[in-house]
Amino acid sequence: AQSVAQPEDQVNVAEGNPLTVKCTYSVSGNPYLFWYVQYPNRGLQFLLKYITGDNLVKGSYGFEAEFNKSQTSFHLKKPSALVSDSALYFCAVRGGSYIPTFGRGTSLIVHP
Amino acid sequence: KAGVTQTPRYLIKTRGQQVTLSCSPISGHRSVSWYQQTPGQGLQFLFEYFSETQRNKGNFPGRFSGRQFSNSRSEMNVSTLELGDSALYLCASSGLAGTDTQYFGPGTRLTVL
Repeated sequence: AQSVAQPEDQVNVAEGNPLTVKCTYSVSGNPYLFWYVQYPNRGLQFLLKYITGDNLVKGSYGFEAEFNKSQTSFHLKKPSALVSDSALYFCAVRGGSYIPTFGRGTSLIVHP
Repeated sequence: KAGVTQTPRYLIKTRGQQVTLSCSPISGHRSVSWYQQTPGQGLQFLFEYFSETQRNKGNFPGRFSGRQFSNSRSEMNVSTLELGDSALYLCASSGLAGTDTQYFGPGTRLTVL
């Protein structure tokens, strides 16, 4: 069975500092990986995805993620955090069946 | 382009009742997926429809069902509601099924009393 782990329930970072939100996955076959962000009382917004090709994926709002096949990881990063980045972040994986599995989410808090 | 719309936004039902939620995808999108979000279980996939056919189904009981119409609008139905069905139900649309980027609606908050 496929699975996604987001090991940190919460990540705290100061505004202007780099941020990383971690994600590891387990899936049969080639992984299709996604990051989404959710603001309070809102649906999810797509940030970026890895399907194939370059391991470094650039997405919306200055976010990027690096696919690491050997470590089965897909960590989300941003060079300089903004207070407005504070939200709930979800990592998701699809395998060959295309059924998506989401992580439990990581709450990102950016302090002014 | 208008986003994904879900109706109603909020719903209160009692145990044993049934409920129907509606989702209108982005114009031109043919795939609609449904998810349940709860504090305890997180985000869980319910089912995905493409061109009126169910393509994938998550691990939910048969009380949860859905359908998609020829205009790509989708409905999901939950029969014999249980307290544990209280959740935020999210709909997402994409141009194609599979790995295409999904765009989510704001969700329907269902409370079962």
